Amino acid sequence: KNQVEQSPQSLIILEGKNCTLQCNYTVSPFSNLRWYKQDTGRGPVSLTIMTFSENTKSNGRYTATLDADTKQSSLHITASQLSDSASYICVVSESNYQLIWGAGTKLIIKP
Amino acid sequence: EADIYQTPRYLVIGTGKKITLECSQTMGHDKMYWYQQDPGMELHLIHYSYGVNSTEKGDLSSESTVSRIRTEHFPLTLESARPSHTSQYLCASSGDFPKGAFFGQGTRLTVV
Repeated sequence: KNQVEQSPQSLIILEGKNCTLQCNYTVSPFSNLRWYKQDTGRGPVSLTIMTFSENTKSNGRYTATLDADTKQSSLHITASQLSDSASYICVVSESNYQLIWGAGTKLIIKP
Repeated sequence: EADIYQTPRYLVIGTGKKITLECSQTMGHDKMYWYQQDPGMELHLIHYSYGVNSTEKGDLSSESTVSRIRTEHFPLTLESARPSHTSQYLCASSGDFPKGAFFGQGTRLTVV
């Protein structure tokens, strides 16, 4: 069964610190992997999208990595800011149509 | 800024009423989706469409129905609303790879 698992479920860090969120998937055949940021009460916003051949992709203070062999991805946030408090969702595409969503990691940044 | 719009943003309605949640996108995307999300919980796909006159049920069973008569429009209808339908409903659309899905702002539905 195609699944996407994220860890940790929730994370609290101090402002200015770095953190790494994990995503493991069993989706096959794999097309691409995306990370979304969702603020409370809002729709998800895309951070990065990576294909099978891409290992790393950055978007400002966000850096996503992908290991297609072990079927793992991570999202690293550098120098966290209060505005980074949100849910971060990993989404794996089996094809251009089917999107399989993880449950998300709830990140709280404290001053 | 993504050109996908949902209305209304908030809706409080009595049990038994029929409601339609509107979703429109101006990007010409073939693929559109409806997700249901309870507060603090993950997104669940309830309907999707590959294009005009194409609709499929998603992973989460839903009593709602959808239609896709025009590319830009993907409304979701509840024939008889119940308190268990209280949730946030998110509409999304996506174009060809490698573009990601764009989401509307959501409709927060409360059935009393």
